[in-house]
Amino acid sequence: QQQVKQSPQSLIVQKGGISIINCAYENTAFDYFPWYQQFPGKGPALLIAIRPDVSEKKEGRFTISFNKSAKQFSLHIMDSQPGDSATYFCAAREDRDFNKFYFGSGTKLNVKP
Amino acid sequence: DGGITQSPKYLFRKEGQNVTLSCEQNLNHDAMYWYRQDPGQGLRLIYYSQIVNDFQKGDIAEGYSVSREKKESFPLTVTSAQKNPTAFYLCASSIAPAGADSPLHFGNGTRLTVT
Repeated sequence: QQQVKQSPQSLIVQKGGISIINCAYENTAFDYFPWYQQFPGKGPALLIAIRPDVSEKKEGRFTISFNKSAKQFSLHIMDSQPGDSATYFCAAREDRDFNKFYFGSGTKLNVKP
Repeated sequence: DGGITQSPKYLFRKEGQNVTLSCEQNLNHDAMYWYRQDPGQGLRLIYYSQIVNDFQKGDIAEGYSVSREKKESFPLTVTSAQKNPTAFYLCASSIAPAGADSPLHFGNGTRLTVT
């Protein structure tokens, strides 16, 4: 049973457009929600992260929106660029066990020039 | 440059053979992790270690073994008992434990193919 459900599986966006990736969870013990970016043949790298006491966090063109009541969070990439083409993973971590991150299944983003 | 080195990048083995994947970090991180990545399934935790000479099973530890004899090294052995070993294996580290201010840092992975 997947603890974090991510959609869509793949996404095609035109250069300059907004990319939106959504994640949902059920476990109310989750208290930290990072997003990772992975390029082919590389390991994932932390992109941005949020705590549930904040509804939005922005870093450059990347924004996380968090809806605690709906148990959903999303990544928005503004002004998407071809260099953003990668696979994106959302994740969640329990407050009771700092070592366990649960990852979504990933979204492969393709930004067309 | 500080980072995590996984070797080799590609590994091929025959069914029934044990194989060991290497992971070395020079970030001086206490905690180290092994994840398995399969298409469409995200990353799943195999084992983790918060300190030298101690490690814990993750969600899919069956058929795998690890050791942590040195702070900078956390090798993973895929045994013949692992039913479906072909996958992309990722090693990660963090300042223990992995908290809000200490994200996971990943290596570039080892792609294991067992035939």
